[in-house]
Amino acid sequence: GAVVSQHPSRVICKSGTSVKIECRSLDFQATTMFWYRQFPKQSLMLMATSNEGSKATYEQGVEKDKFLINHASLTLSTLTVTSAHPEDSSFYICSALAGAAYEQYFGPGTRLTVT
Amino acid sequence: DQQVKQNSPSLSVQEGRISILNCDYTNSMFDYFLWYKKYPAEGPTFLISISSIKDKNEDGRFTVFLNKSAKHLSLHIVPSQPGDSAVYFCAAKETSGSRLTFGEGTQLTVNP
Repeated sequence: GAVVSQHPSRVICKSGTSVKIECRSLDFQATTMFWYRQFPKQSLMLMATSNEGSKATYEQGVEKDKFLINHASLTLSTLTVTSAHPEDSSFYICSALAGAAYEQYFGPGTRLTVT
Repeated sequence: DQQVKQNSPSLSVQEGRISILNCDYTNSMFDYFLWYKKYPAEGPTFLISISSIKDKNEDGRFTVFLNKSAKHLSLHIVPSQPGDSAVYFCAAKETSGSRLTFGEGTQLTVNP
């Protein structure tokens, strides 16, 4: 149980375009989902917390207009990187809380490359 | 301000021996701690957790120890297996809220 999927797993886009990444909880309902990014050989940096039906809470330094998060249902959250630039190239990972437990279950990640 | 620190970026252990991964924290509001394992280009996998009201939690080959007074926790893997080779992240949660703060990770290599 507690499986989280992400799509796509890899994406290459041109500078200035937008990219949408989907995060789905496959076998449970997730009222809260999280979006992280990871740079090579570094820790996971929390970008935002996404609650179903309400606005996402962004961490300090994360531009909400650039990283649009939508949590439209209990099983789906999306992250849209708008007007992508090469410095947005990174590994983006989502996670979801399953019920009252504190453990976050992570998706497999999405490698974004902006050329 | 790094509230969760894993001071050893790497650890190498022989198969069958014990692996001990360490984690220190500074925030007294942390009340729940988790260990995750991560392979390259994959998301982290939850391993084991411990509440601040306990000092030990065991699950098969994995045991987590918590020393609250020292603000230190450790993950013991015994016996270590080559398949355990991965990056291990320590994470902590504050009393209020659900966000996790992660350490920098430790690359464990188990040699056959």
